[in-house]
Amino acid sequence: QVQLVQSGAEVKKPGASVKISCKASGYTFNNFAIHWVRQAPGHRLEWMGWINAANGKTKYSQKFEARVTITRDTSASTAYMELSSLRSEDTAVYYCARSLQITTATSMGYWGQGTLVTVSS
Amino acid sequence: ETVLTQSPGSLSLSPGERATLSCRANQTISYSFLAWYQQKPGQAPRLLIYGVSSRATGIPDRFSGSGSGTDFTLTITGLEPEDFAVYYCQQYGYLPRTFGQGTTVEIK
Repeated sequence: QVQLVQSGAEVKKPGASVKISCKASGYTFNNFAIHWVRQAPGHRLEWMGWINAANGKTKYSQKFEARVTITRDTSASTAYMELSSLRSEDTAVYYCARSLQITTATSMGYWGQGTLVTVSS
Repeated sequence: ETVLTQSPGSLSLSPGERATLSCRANQTISYSFLAWYQQKPGQAPRLLIYGVSSRATGIPDRFSGSGSGTDFTLTITGLEPEDFAVYYCQQYGYLPRTFGQGTTVEIK
């Protein structure tokens, strides 16, 4: 069965960076895109970007483009999301999600368990 | 960006009743690229419906989606205790992908 397992909770100081991992199993990693979505307290789900696991090409939300980097390691079936210049408003649960279908325009069919990132001085 | 507005913000119903949730977009959603997710406290979202009306694997048929253009509906026919949760619509026809603000279905 498809599983996405994320790394554990992080506490960071303002201005620092955080890098979260998302290890996939149960399917051919290269065949599906991985999205990153965050959920801040009291806010709606917010899409940050995606990576084409086959070729490593990325697409970012303009809101995060200057601060986010999504990468992948195909040998480890793992995707990563790094967010830099953290501020208190970045305190949120961060999710990775796999595209439902192989095509680009598709919903998010499988989700990781979420990683809480707390930004506090 | 494509803004999705869900209504109502919350819905108070009893088990067995029918829930009707609305999602309105500020522009036409092309090719039926509209999905619905369910989220329970402390859990990740779960895909219920994609392509406006297709149920994801394992989703019971009491969940149904409909709509076109800018107006979409999720209907839950005969609420079960496990259905009380927050529901989000999401469009995947435009970048950035966007979500509605959610509708909470709570037990009356």
